[in-house]
Amino acid sequence: QSVLTQPPSVSAAPGQKVTISCSGSSSNIGNNYVSWYQRLPGTAPKLLIYDNNQRPSGIPDRFSGSKSGTSATLGITGLQTGDEADYFCGVWDSSLSVRVFGGGTKLTVL
Amino acid sequence: EVQLVESGGGLVQPGGSLRLSCAASGFTFSTYWMSWVRQAPGKGLEWVANIKQDGTDKYYVDSVRGRFTISRDNAKNSLFLQMNSLRAEDTAIYYCAREAPWNYYYDYWGQGTLVTVSS
Repeated sequence: QSVLTQPPSVSAAPGQKVTISCSGSSSNIGNNYVSWYQRLPGTAPKLLIYDNNQRPSGIPDRFSGSKSGTSATLGITGLQTGDEADYFCGVWDSSLSVRVFGGGTKLTVL
Repeated sequence: EVQLVESGGGLVQPGGSLRLSCAASGFTFSTYWMSWVRQAPGKGLEWVANIKQDGTDKYYVDSVRGRFTISRDNAKNSLFLQMNSLRAEDTAIYYCAREAPWNYYYDYWGQGTLVTVSS
């Protein structure tokens, strides 16, 4: 059981918007910065969002991150078939003193 | 271009050992903390171990402490994970990841190497 809770799967049609939630607690999301990662099939995970809502260079603005209380959300607009991937959230847990992750969400673009 | 390439995974019997390697390129390896992160089948990502730039500080998740050893060779831009007394629950894809200098995220990952512990 992962420390952070994500839905196992989400789906949406091309061109639509989808959100992926990541739920935690005050010891992790509530008081630390959240990051998001994309893992396309057979490839290395890639950083999508850091510090809750910052995009690294090269990540399109179709990807966005937000945080409220002990939950975080990844938003993807203008869905493309190439966005089909597993998405993970990650954060530092101050009580456990380790980095923790969500279980991952598989995005299907129908 | 930053690249992290893992190797050394494979099938091993319970109680056996494996040594994973991660070859780094495209950045000054000696200036970054590095981590190993794994994903077991059907489960989420789990941080395994990390090591300071000069190798003097090392940390482990409780489940591997005493069995796994993380190390690095800055002259060869390489990260290692020596895994001993392997258990079925260590079966996972193992990723090498570079730690960003602040706020606990990983800015680059390798493609992973599969470790299967089974008789």
